Amino acid sequence: TQLLEQSPQFLSIQEGENLTVYCNSSSVFSSLQWYRQEPGEGPVLLVTVVTGGEVKKLKRLTFQFGDARKDSSLHITAAQPGDTGLYLCAGLSGNNRLAFGKGNQVVVIP
Amino acid sequence: GAVVSQHPSWVICKSGTSVKIECRSLDFQATTMFWYRQFPKQSLMLMATSNEGSKATYEQGVEKDKFLINHASLTLSTLTVTSAHPEDSSFYICSARPGQSPHEQYFGPGTRLTVT
Repeated sequence: TQLLEQSPQFLSIQEGENLTVYCNSSSVFSSLQWYRQEPGEGPVLLVTVVTGGEVKKLKRLTFQFGDARKDSSLHITAAQPGDTGLYLCAGLSGNNRLAFGKGNQVVVIP
Repeated sequence: GAVVSQHPSWVICKSGTSVKIECRSLDFQATTMFWYRQFPKQSLMLMATSNEGSKATYEQGVEKDKFLINHASLTLSTLTVTSAHPEDSSFYICSARPGQSPHEQYFGPGTRLTVT
């Protein structure tokens, strides 16, 4: 059972455009993490959101945790080629294990 | 800070042999480490949770006798794939949790295992 659904699975945009990707679940999580993974490498932690409704910004990246702590979104402003990568969301459940979504593959075309 | 290393980064072995993969937390102590495997274009699947000084907890469907995990110190966990077969070929990634906070987890760079 896939606890976390990420959409869209694949997104290709031009440099300078904005984009939003989503991470949805029917489960409630105590926290949610966003990672970026490059091919052949491990995921790199971008942000952890803990409080429902929380918004965190990391330069041009804005992360929001849903009020009910079931979903999250990642918005990238003025995307750059360096933003290309697989964005993974992972929810921390009651057994302190992370459950991962399949990822949002983002390609930013110069 | 919060750097996790893995060794080797890639390994090729013959079917029937065993391979050991090391996971180290370089600048923090990790009471809990995790082992994942990832198939191409798939998400990370948790294999087992490793706690320092105690036996690992394996996820359903993961053979504990095939994937031996040892967490001998607060900075080192090892995964040994015993009697490897081609279907064990995958990308193995470890992660480490600093301290007691369940909300932080840092990943290693992964190990590409190819069994011929």
